[in-house]
Amino acid sequence: DADVTQTPRNRITKTGKRIMLECSQTKGHDRMYWYRQDPGLGLQLIYYSFDVKDINKGEISDGYSVSRQAQAKFSLSLESAIPNQTALYFCATSDFSSGKETQYFGPGTRLLVL
Amino acid sequence: GQNIDQPTEMTATEGAIVQINCTYQTSGFNGLFWYQQHAGEAPTFLSYNVLDGLEEKGRFSSFLSRSKGYSYLLLKELQMKDSASYLCAVRDDENTDKLIFGTGTRLQVFP
Repeated sequence: DADVTQTPRNRITKTGKRIMLECSQTKGHDRMYWYRQDPGLGLQLIYYSFDVKDINKGEISDGYSVSRQAQAKFSLSLESAIPNQTALYFCATSDFSSGKETQYFGPGTRLLVL
Repeated sequence: GQNIDQPTEMTATEGAIVQINCTYQTSGFNGLFWYQQHAGEAPTFLSYNVLDGLEEKGRFSSFLSRSKGYSYLLLKELQMKDSASYLCAVRDDENTDKLIFGTGTRLQVFP
């Protein structure tokens, strides 16, 4: 079984719709992250959380919100989707206590906003 | 400012050796990571360097020079399955220990 799962894996929505992307992990890590990836731009950090109820903005948080109600779950919401939010979205977790803080990525959610 | 540079694309032949370079300028430094990412898939961890020198792991090695802000990933005995993007990322301890990613180097291995 995968340690970091994301749902849905693919989503098509229309401009103005509210959508939520879910991330769950079984690794027991405290830290969780949401990234988006666009061709040629690499991974950009949207939001991150170091513990339950802890929320921090990343580089590109405008138009997004997140919720961390439990250690294992970190959800990303687009309140009113727009076409330039079409991208590949990755959730990641890390364990700061390990010293390395390697990030482990979920399989990604491919989002298309029409 | 924060900046990580890597070549956009590289090509190599099966069985050969390829070196992918990464230079960085960040506020702080607490480790450099290399990830492999096949098209449409999640990045997977390859290596981690925090001290100067070479870390070897099978066919893959990673080198770090902190004074030069420079790292490279060395791939030996290239296989077709090594065709992927390789992402360099720096952990910035002046910036809440976040990872800052480069845009990735797309490697194509030809027979």
